[in-house]
Amino acid sequence: GAVVSQHPSRVICKSGTSVKIECRSLDFQATTMFWYRQFPKKSLMLMATSNEGSKATYEQGVEKDKFLINHASLTLSTLTVTSAHPEDSSFYICSAGGQGSYSNQPQHFGDGTRLSIL
Amino acid sequence: QKEVEQNSGPLSVPEGAIASLNCTYSDRVSQSFFWYRQYSGKSPELIMSIYSNGDKEDGRFTAQLNKASQYVSLLIRDSQPSDSATYLCAVTPLGYSTLTFGKGTMLLVSP
Repeated sequence: GAVVSQHPSRVICKSGTSVKIECRSLDFQATTMFWYRQFPKKSLMLMATSNEGSKATYEQGVEKDKFLINHASLTLSTLTVTSAHPEDSSFYICSAGGQGSYSNQPQHFGDGTRLSIL
Repeated sequence: QKEVEQNSGPLSVPEGAIASLNCTYSDRVSQSFFWYRQYSGKSPELIMSIYSNGDKEDGRFTAQLNKASQYVSLLIRDSQPSDSATYLCAVTPLGYSTLTFGKGTMLLVSP
C-alpha cells in the first residue's frame, strides 16, 4: 500500500533554532501534501496544504513566515519551523494523497515528528 | 461551516464484543468518508474508506454510510485490546480533497 515517510521522528533543540522536517511519498506521486499539528490529547489541526511547484496554502492563524513549506518535487515536501520557541513544541504530521495525486490515493500519514524546544 | 461530530468517549467494551463508533457530518456535498485509527503518541492510520451508501466490510471492520441521514459509522467485531485507540472520522467533499476531521472517539477494549 501507499507509504509516506517522515523524517526526523524526534527533534530536541534549543530555542531559536530552525528545524526542517521532510515528508516523502514513497510509492506514488503526490502533487498535494498536507501538514498537521497536534497537541497532546487534542485533535489534528491542519496547518497548510503543500502544492508541488507553487506556494503553500496556509490555514487561518498559521504564520507562513514561521512555518516555511517547500514542495519541490512530486515526492517531497518540507516544513521548516523557523526560530523555534517552546510554544512551537508539538507533534507535526504530514500526509500525502488527496486531490491532485496522480494515483488519487486517500490521504496516508507519515509517522510524525515530535518537536521539543527547550 | 463544515463540521464532523464524534462522541469523544471513552467507549468501553469487553474483549470479543462489537464496538460501534458513530460520526455525523454537516456538509451535504461530502462524498468520501474515512476512518483513521490513532494510537497514543502515533500518527493516524487509515483503516477504512467508504464512498457510497450501505455497508463495506474489511476483516473485522465494517463501515456504514447513510448520506440521507449524514451519518457514517464503524463497527469493530470481536474487539481486541489492541484495538484500543482513538478513531477519527474524516470527510471530504470532492473525491480525495482536503479532509475535515472529527475530534475522535477513544475506544477502550478491556481483556
